[in-house]
Amino acid sequence: DTAVSQTPKYLVTQMGNDKSIKCEQNLGHDTMYWYKQDSKKFLKIMFSYNNKELIINETVPNRFSPKSPDKAHLNLHINSLELGDSAVYFCASSHGTPNTEAFFGQGTRLTVV
Amino acid sequence: AQKVTQAQTEISVVEKEDVTLDCVYETRDTTYYLFWYKQPPSGELVFLIRRNSFDEQNEISGRYSWNFQKSTSSFNFTITASQVVDSAVYFCALRGYSGAGSYQLTFGKGTKLSVIP
Repeated sequence: DTAVSQTPKYLVTQMGNDKSIKCEQNLGHDTMYWYKQDSKKFLKIMFSYNNKELIINETVPNRFSPKSPDKAHLNLHINSLELGDSAVYFCASSHGTPNTEAFFGQGTRLTVV
Repeated sequence: AQKVTQAQTEISVVEKEDVTLDCVYETRDTTYYLFWYKQPPSGELVFLIRRNSFDEQNEISGRYSWNFQKSTSSFNFTITASQVVDSAVYFCALRGYSGAGSYQLTFGKGTKLSVIP
């Protein structure tokens, strides 16, 4: 009964490959997010989806594309992976109102070699 | 634009000592929300507390307490009688209006707390 689950937990891949990370939430939230945590632990928002519409897209390379088949899922596709993409990627979800906390998945550690 | 500053990058304390983690924020919003999250060595992000900008009451939960002072734009977190299990990275975050009907959650860079037995 995990609230926010993302798979895989670890992902090791070669440069140039295309990969996806899946995220699902069973909390009934209408907003989902992807965050990137770099080696210095800095958490930076990448995308935010509200009711299947992209509402925030920070300065992220277009090799990264979020895909939301429904309100409970927000997958992250990454094309032509680069060494600098190595990081921990967190999926999160919350209600659309600001006075609610976001719940995070356990993270996916992506290593590009 | 929103900004959260956690000036303390790393703190080490001996078990049973009290420790305060500082958080200073910047926002132009009149209504906003502040959060603390804990990231233990296992890596998950655990929600600890939420505070609304119009509620300046301090809060205590067991060994944890939070001091919100709007006048100094600070939302500090104190752990009393620290324990080894408190060792983690602690993040302060701010949620305010970021346009187009969305409310972005902005994190500070985190403070790594090490509690030494």
